[in-house]
Amino acid sequence: NAGVMQNPRHLVRRRGQEARLRCSPMKGHSHVYWYRQLPEEGLKFMVYLQKENIIDESGMPKERFSAEFPKEGPSILRIQQVVRGDSAAYFCASSLGGGGRTGELFFGEGSRLTVL
Amino acid sequence: DAKTTQPNSMESNEEEPVHLPCNHSTISGTDYIHWYRQLPSQGPEYVIHGLTSNVNNRMASLAIAEDRKSSTLILHRATLRDAAVYYCILGGGTSYGKLTFGQGTILTVHP
Repeated sequence: NAGVMQNPRHLVRRRGQEARLRCSPMKGHSHVYWYRQLPEEGLKFMVYLQKENIIDESGMPKERFSAEFPKEGPSILRIQQVVRGDSAAYFCASSLGGGGRTGELFFGEGSRLTVL
Repeated sequence: DAKTTQPNSMESNEEEPVHLPCNHSTISGTDYIHWYRQLPSQGPEYVIHGLTSNVNNRMASLAIAEDRKSSTLILHRATLRDAAVYYCILGGGTSYGKLTFGQGTILTVHP
């Protein structure tokens, strides 16, 4: 069984460019979460999505960041006009139901964004 | 959000048991106790979770204090592959998958 698939694994962008990170959840999972891990820091929740709906985006920066999980295809985290402070590892997780309530989250290997 | 407190680091020898403590004195009645670990350069990996009773799975055991204000993750026989950062996280109720990761405990396993 394929786990949570994230791509690209590594992405280099210059300041001002756009970054698009993709996440395919585990088969049968309809709940997707994005987390960010800045260098030498813990993981921070960004956003929780179900198919075609953003459920909680309380951890997302108000500007330049957006996320979607369309009916078909992967979830996408989009960062516009990247700045050096966006350099981080971005992890996607999926769950069968509302993971934190009873079950577990399955994390991908992460996408490491470097902004030059 | 209820907070957890873990030691910054712990060390163990290979094939010995490891007891990783976690304090969560402000835990609410609906909070589950989750443990995840993160190996270097990898995403977090679920280890175990529980509510009130002790739990066992193929990876570890979770011992939960009767008052639920603390818990202990037990690795029965540490291997080199168990060297990782271990996170004790409270979640559940309305917080679904919005887990709050702290600094965790860095576990070093010596051959």
